[in-house]
Amino acid sequence: QKEVEQNSGPLSVPEGAIASLNCTYSDRGSQSFFWYRQYSGKSPELIMFIYSNGDKEDGRFTAQLNKASQYVSLLIRDSQPSDSATYLCAAPPDSGSARQLTFGSGTQLTVLP
Amino acid sequence: KAGVTQTPRYLIKTRGQQVTLSCSPISGHRSVSWYQQTPGQGLQFLFEYFSETQRNKGNFPGRFSGRQFSNSRSEMNVSTLELGDSALYLCASSLGSGILVNEQFFGPGTRLTVL
Repeated sequence: QKEVEQNSGPLSVPEGAIASLNCTYSDRGSQSFFWYRQYSGKSPELIMFIYSNGDKEDGRFTAQLNKASQYVSLLIRDSQPSDSATYLCAAPPDSGSARQLTFGSGTQLTVLP
Repeated sequence: KAGVTQTPRYLIKTRGQQVTLSCSPISGHRSVSWYQQTPGQGLQFLFEYFSETQRNKGNFPGRFSGRQFSNSRSEMNVSTLELGDSALYLCASSLGSGILVNEQFFGPGTRLTVL
């Protein structure tokens, strides 16, 4: 059974700081990873996906993947109060559908003005 | 381009009843996946449909079923409702072809309450 684990938080950072969200996974065969953001009362929205070792940057967001350590992280630079949300890490099975995602329990982030 | 739509948005049922939820994917998307979200279990995969065929199924009892129509719209059905079925049911749509990374877009969800 694939497991995706996140530090459950909650995590609080001051405005302008870097927020670091972490996720570990149990299946060494996992090939791609997704980060979703979910505001309270809303549905998840995709922030980034990553499938190669190393860093992937998109604006203020950087995803980092280390397959040897089975670790994926999301860094949010210059955090804003609007970034306050629950962040979900997800991975598909190592074979089969990339749309059958296993989600972590989420990390609740609060950015303090 | 219109997003994923789900109907109804809210639903209240009693134990033992059955319920049908509907999802219309983004135009051109052929894959629809269903998820259940609860405070205790988080987001859990139910099943995925592509071209009217169920391709994957999560670890849920047979009371949970679904189907997809030729226009890619999908429905899921839960029979003999239990209190534990109270949850937010999310539909996600994607292009769906191949096994490469496919971005999934979630709908607003249907909030089901079972009394």
